[in-house]
Parts: sequence; C-alpha cells; structure tokens
Amino acid sequence: DQQVKQNSPSLSVQEGRISILNCDYTNSMFDYFLWYKKYPAEGPTFLISISSIKDKNEDGRFTVFLNKSAKHLSLHIVPSQPGDSAVYFCAASARYGGSQGNLIFGKGTKLSVKP
Amino acid sequence: SQTIHQWPATLVQPVGSPLSLECTVEGTSNPNLYWYRQAAGRGLQLLFYSVGIGQISSEVPQNLSASRPQDRQFILSSKKLLLSDSGFYLCAWSLLAVRQFFGPGTRLTVL
Repeated sequence: DQQVKQNSPSLSVQEGRISILNCDYTNSMFDYFLWYKKYPAEGPTFLISISSIKDKNEDGRFTVFLNKSAKHLSLHIVPSQPGDSAVYFCAASARYGGSQGNLIFGKGTKLSVKP
Repeated sequence: SQTIHQWPATLVQPVGSPLSLECTVEGTSNPNLYWYRQAAGRGLQLLFYSVGIGQISSEVPQNLSASRPQDRQFILSSKKLLLSDSGFYLCAWSLLAVRQFFGPGTRLTVL
C-alpha cells in the first residue's frame, strides 16, 4: 500500500519553462513534506520542505504547494534549467504519529530539461 | 559541518556470499541513522533505523541485518546474499528534525 504516490515516472520540459512535479498521499497523519533531488549514482539531496500548517513555501526557483484537502502537493521549478535534470522524490512524515518521524518516499519522477 | 561517508561505492558479489556495508557520520553527535535501498524502478525503501548505539529497528523483514557499534557508525550486513538483494544502498542521518541527509550510496550487484 503506497502512502506516497508520484504517478508520473517521467517529465520532459523545455529549458526556461515551468516544471511541475506532483505527489499524492493517503495518510492524513502526515504533517511534514519534503522534496529531494537525486542524480544517478549519488545520494538524494534535500531541496525544499513544507509543514502542514502552510500551503506554500518558496525558495528561489523552487516552490512547493500543499493542498491538504486533496492530499496533494506539487513542486514548481521556474525557470527550468538543464542542471535540474534529475529524479525528484517526494517524501512525507507523520512527526507525531508514532513512526519516529520516519520518511515515506514516493517512487520518484525523472525530470529531463531540454536545452 | 557534517559529512557522511559510505563504502564501498560499488560492489559485485556472488549469491550466497556475505555482505558488509559501512556508513560513518562526522561532525555531529547522537544522530538518528538510516539504511535505505533503491531497487531498479522503485522508490527509496527504508530498511533499518537507529536512534542510538545498539538500538536497531527493522522496517522490512529480509535477508539483511544492521548494527550500530559506535555512535556515528552504522553497518549493513548479510550472511548470505540473494539475487534480490541487488540495488543501490543509501545511508542517511538526521538529528531532531525530520530532514535527513544522505550519503553517496553503494551500488550492490549480486550475481
């Protein structure tokens, strides 16, 4: 049973345009969400996060939106750059749900930004 | 600043052979430590986590085990590898915050 779902395995975007990566979750106890970026043969690196008390968090070109009623979050990258080409993982945590705050990851979306 | 190391970077092992992957963290004390596996076409699966020396929690029953002999050392082991153990193994650490920081990973191929 997947608690965090990234339904698009891949996404291709032109350089300079917006990239939108989507993530859905099922567990209403999740109260903290993170996005990680991963290059091949490397460990994931933290990108941006959002608490469930917010609906938007912005950091430079990256913005995460959270829609709690729909149990949906998205990562917007504007403008997209070729260096953004990587696999993006969505992760969720139930900090007070008795799971030690462990992260549950989606399967990832491979973003390709074409020059 | 904190640094996390994993070795080896790549490993090719025959079925039935033992395994030992090591992870060490520098620049922090009492971290939570995690082992994940990324199998082909799949996400990051949490295998083990540890909140302190000698304290190991297993998330998925399997052919692997973990140990934490020192505060900043986390070891992933197996007595006999299976083909299905192939994958990309990642160690991560965190403090009180949920955010986790990952090591460079070990690519394990079991033949």
